Amino acid sequence: DVKVTQSSRYLVKRTGEKVFLECVQDMDHENMFWYRQDPGLGLRLIYFSYDVKMKEKGDIPEGYSVSREKKERFSLILESASTNQTSMYLCASEHQRDTQYFGPGTRLTVL
Amino acid sequence: QQQVKQSPQSLIVQKGGISIINCAYENTAFDYFPWYQQFPGKGPALLIAIRPDVSEKKEGRFTISFNKSAKQFSLHIMDSQPGDSATYFCAASIRGKLIFGQGTELSVKP
Repeated sequence: DVKVTQSSRYLVKRTGEKVFLECVQDMDHENMFWYRQDPGLGLRLIYFSYDVKMKEKGDIPEGYSVSREKKERFSLILESASTNQTSMYLCASEHQRDTQYFGPGTRLTVL
Repeated sequence: QQQVKQSPQSLIVQKGGISIINCAYENTAFDYFPWYQQFPGKGPALLIAIRPDVSEKKEGRFTISFNKSAKQFSLHIMDSQPGDSATYFCAASIRGKLIFGQGTELSVKP
């Protein structure tokens, strides 16, 4: 069964903190994605990766960076968290250009 | 701008009724149109998808209608059930990237 796991379901951080969100998939998928979900805005793509050590900017990359050192793991980094980064963060993985499978999400609150 | 506009934002339907959610897009280069279903506390999951070379796709109670000339597509849920209560997202794909609509929160009343 397809599985995408995210390191935390809920996270509370302070403004200025460095935040790491981890995502792991067990399907040997090449492609991985990070989205944020906000009410009324749907899902917006932050970054994606089509291979190990490869990354591409999505539609809203500002304030974020990513790391993909291993095929199964894709990390989202908030270098200096701000209150406008309070959101639900969703990770997804995909085999070539087939169905995207999503993790359960991390609800991040930045105080 | 690569946008996908979805309506309505919320929808209340009686059990057994038909739920209809609409999406419109601008970019004619989109080549794949999936619908995702998201239950509270869960990530979105693919429900049904269509490519622009067909006008309709049906899977059980779920149907996508696609109008290429109008650049619109819609999801129809026949015989809606309380278990269908969820948030639905349309999306459009270009070069492997998904652009999502704003989401529709569907509530099916018993």
